[in-house]
Amino acid sequence: AQKVTQAQTEISVVEKEDVTLDCVYETRDTTYYLFWYKQPPSGELVFLIRRNSFDEQNEISGRYSWNFQKSTSSFNFTITASQVVDSAVYFCALSELTGGGNKLTFGTGTQLKVEL
Amino acid sequence: DVKVTQSSRYLVKRTGEKVFLECVQDMDHENMFWYRQDPGLGLRLIYFSYDVKMKEKGDIPEGYSVSREKKERFSLILESASTNQTSMYLCASSGTGKIMTPDQPQHFGDGTRLSIL
Repeated sequence: AQKVTQAQTEISVVEKEDVTLDCVYETRDTTYYLFWYKQPPSGELVFLIRRNSFDEQNEISGRYSWNFQKSTSSFNFTITASQVVDSAVYFCALSELTGGGNKLTFGTGTQLKVEL
Repeated sequence: DVKVTQSSRYLVKRTGEKVFLECVQDMDHENMFWYRQDPGLGLRLIYFSYDVKMKEKGDIPEGYSVSREKKERFSLILESASTNQTSMYLCASSGTGKIMTPDQPQHFGDGTRLSIL
């Protein structure tokens, strides 16, 4: 069965520090998708990025970057020069081709606190 | 932008009551989902629906039922609320095609924080 592990429960950093959120997944499928979501204090989960299992190219979007490594089954998320507005809970999620089409399996989330 | 609207942000009910949580999406999405979120457990799927009047059990369906009479609306029902159903409930929607595919990101509502006393 699929599983997503976010071992970091809570991370605290000072503004402008770089921070990496870890995500490790388990799946037997060869075709799958990985997602990152952000949940600010308001509660709504905001979709950040999607990566498919055949594309290991890293991606950068402004201060955000993602490192996908199939060899270690990891999909880590780095925020460069963190800001207070980055404070949120971040979820990594996995969706497989088999067993339900569009069902997401979520990790338990990492609470990021960015302080001045 | 996709808009998923949940009828209440906060709700307080008593044990044994029948509770309805409503969710409406405005993007003509085929798929709709109900999750509950608890500290240390992340999001867990309760039920989902890939078409009107269709429903599938998720990972924790016990004590819940759902209704999807119209494409844009997906209701979660607690038949007889219990204190262990106190939680944050999140609705999501995805997909504009008839076939569910794993690449479709889900779009979430703001959540309903439900307390059962």
